[in-house]
Amino acid sequence: EVQLVESGGGLVQPGGSLRLSCAASGFTFSSYWMSWVRQAPGKGLEWVANIKEDGSEKYYVDSVKGRFTISRDNAKISLYLQMNSLRAEDTAVYYCVRDRGSAFGWFDPWGQGTLVTVSS
Amino acid sequence: DIQMTQSPSTLSASVGDRVTITCRASQSISSWLAWYQQKPGKAPKLLIYDASSLGSGVPSRFSGSGSGTEFTLTISSLQPDDFATYYCQQYNSYSRTFGQGTKVEIK
Repeated sequence: EVQLVESGGGLVQPGGSLRLSCAASGFTFSSYWMSWVRQAPGKGLEWVANIKEDGSEKYYVDSVKGRFTISRDNAKISLYLQMNSLRAEDTAVYYCVRDRGSAFGWFDPWGQGTLVTVSS
Repeated sequence: DIQMTQSPSTLSASVGDRVTITCRASQSISSWLAWYQQKPGKAPKLLIYDASSLGSGVPSRFSGSGSGTEFTLTISSLQPDDFATYYCQQYNSYSRTFGQGTKVEIK
């Protein structure tokens, strides 16, 4: 069974940093692009970033460029999101997702999500 | 970025009803469109990709159609498990975007 399990969320002050992790299982992790998608409380979905199979290409939504860094460790079968200079508007559930179809396709499956709250 | 607009935002329906949700793109996205179902407190689940291809394990009462800028998700006979929020998502560009969601409620 394909499974994605996020961790690392929590409460952080504005301007602070947090690192999210995603442990993958049930598929050949190193053969897929991977993404992070977020959802603010009571709001819709927003793609945040994705990374190529070997980590050589990365793409970000404009609102997080220069603040967030996506990375992966294929030996540890894990995906990461380093979030710096956090703002209140970054408060959301962050989902780890597998890219399908191509580098820029649909998302399947989704992890259960980890909540990040940015507040003083 | 390509803007995705869903209608209606909320839909009230009864078990057994045929339900249709519309998604419009701000520019042509060919057939690069997916649909997801999300229940409260849960992660979204893929229903449809490439506008009309059914995701693995998805019941056949779900179907998708359209191309270019206008797309529809149809549930042929609404079941109790289908009351949820539905999102469309385009993948015509690297900056993938979602519609605002359509909540299907019990009438």
